[in-house]
Amino acid sequence: NAGVTQTPKFRVLKTGQSMTLLCAQDMNHEYMYWYRQDPGMGLRLIHYSVGEGTTAKGEVPDGYNVSRLKKQNFLLGLESAAPSQTSVYFCASSYLPVWGTQYFGPGTRLLVL
Amino acid sequence: AQRVTQPEKLLSVFKGAPVELKCNYSYSGSPELFWYVQYSRQRLQLLLRHISRESIKGFTADLNKGETSFHLKKPFAQEEDSAMYYCALTPAGNMLTFGGGTRLMVKP
Repeated sequence: NAGVTQTPKFRVLKTGQSMTLLCAQDMNHEYMYWYRQDPGMGLRLIHYSVGEGTTAKGEVPDGYNVSRLKKQNFLLGLESAAPSQTSVYFCASSYLPVWGTQYFGPGTRLLVL
Repeated sequence: AQRVTQPEKLLSVFKGAPVELKCNYSYSGSPELFWYVQYSRQRLQLLLRHISRESIKGFTADLNKGETSFHLKKPFAQEEDSAMYYCALTPAGNMLTFGGGTRLMVKP
């Protein structure tokens, strides 16, 4: 099992460009999450999904959109990238809500110039 | 809203010394608390959670509701414990709130 995978690993964008980050999991987990990690601020939840076809806002959702068309995939979109979105993005999944373990992907490093 | 504070950004100890990574939280109810760890070049992974009262890799954490703390402890640090440690809580499921993290460096 690959667990949680993220594509791409690293990306450089110019301000105003758009991109989509892909998260895939092969553990048949219902719950999936997108976080951003910034120095000194830990991980902050952007959006999450409690099942195929559902999404919900987390702590810092502005400037991001998500979709969960298939159970195994959770996409994070930036429609118009801003330098403030320079960060490391982590995807996670879990079988149960957070009472259970969250399994994290390796991260995507995004630099917005 | 809930908040998790890890007051130390960096903690440096010698091998064999005791370690205590501090975590304080603010939440009016009874949250569930976790410690996650990220070793160099590895993914973030669950170290332990209060609900299961496990001891993982020699680490323990006790919930002190009076002081609203969930400090992580280990009696004798090892070099392989060097990593980034995050305390996290959830009030009722679905959303984890993480602290800012503490980097632990264990010197030989």
